[in-house]
Amino acid sequence: DSGVTQTPKHLITATGQRVTLRCSPRSGDLSVYWYQQSLDQGLQFLIQYYNGEERAKGNILERFSAQQFPDLHSELNLSSLELGDSALYFCASSAGEAGELFFGEGSRLTVL
Amino acid sequence: GENVEQHPSTLSVQEGDSAVIKCTYSDSASNYFPWYKQELGKGPQLIIDIRSNVGEKKDQRIAVTLNKTAKHFSLHITETQPEDSAVYFCAASIGSGNTPLVFGKGTRLSVIA
Repeated sequence: DSGVTQTPKHLITATGQRVTLRCSPRSGDLSVYWYQQSLDQGLQFLIQYYNGEERAKGNILERFSAQQFPDLHSELNLSSLELGDSALYFCASSAGEAGELFFGEGSRLTVL
Repeated sequence: GENVEQHPSTLSVQEGDSAVIKCTYSDSASNYFPWYKQELGKGPQLIIDIRSNVGEKKDQRIAVTLNKTAKHFSLHITETQPEDSAVYFCAASIGSGNTPLVFGKGTRLSVIA
């Protein structure tokens, strides 16, 4: 158990809908990262927050947004969903702004 | 930005044999190279990492080597066991706060008993 909690574990929705994925980092970790894992695409970095502030942005679509709250949990919002958004979404946390990442077990999103 | 290439994409070995996975990176400023193991239904977990001031690092049956001149690094697993079967990811980063890890596309390792 990495100590990172992600909910929901599975989510099935329709095209055009909006979903919110939630992540609770390890106790004491200030950084939260979101990664997307699709078949044959490995782990694609989406966005990083550190102590409530956005630190780095990767290949995150404009339809996606995220935030980190004062209690350090984070949410990833995916809107106007398309079939191609079906993937595993991982949250990871680290103590500082870099270093070892601890991953949650992921949220599997299926868009029908 | 950084780009990490990983080979092979799949690898099958007999139990007890060695397995080698290779990665290349593009950004010469990268100085942190971790390897993650992802078991079925789980998130990736760090198994070993190396920094640019070290050429090789070992931890029991696993070792990582780094060639900064050639910009490549490799994972070596000796005396493979069925529980080594998983997807392995290499990654690279500059190691500063706003340059998160860039991952390779992964290698699916199957250890055949």
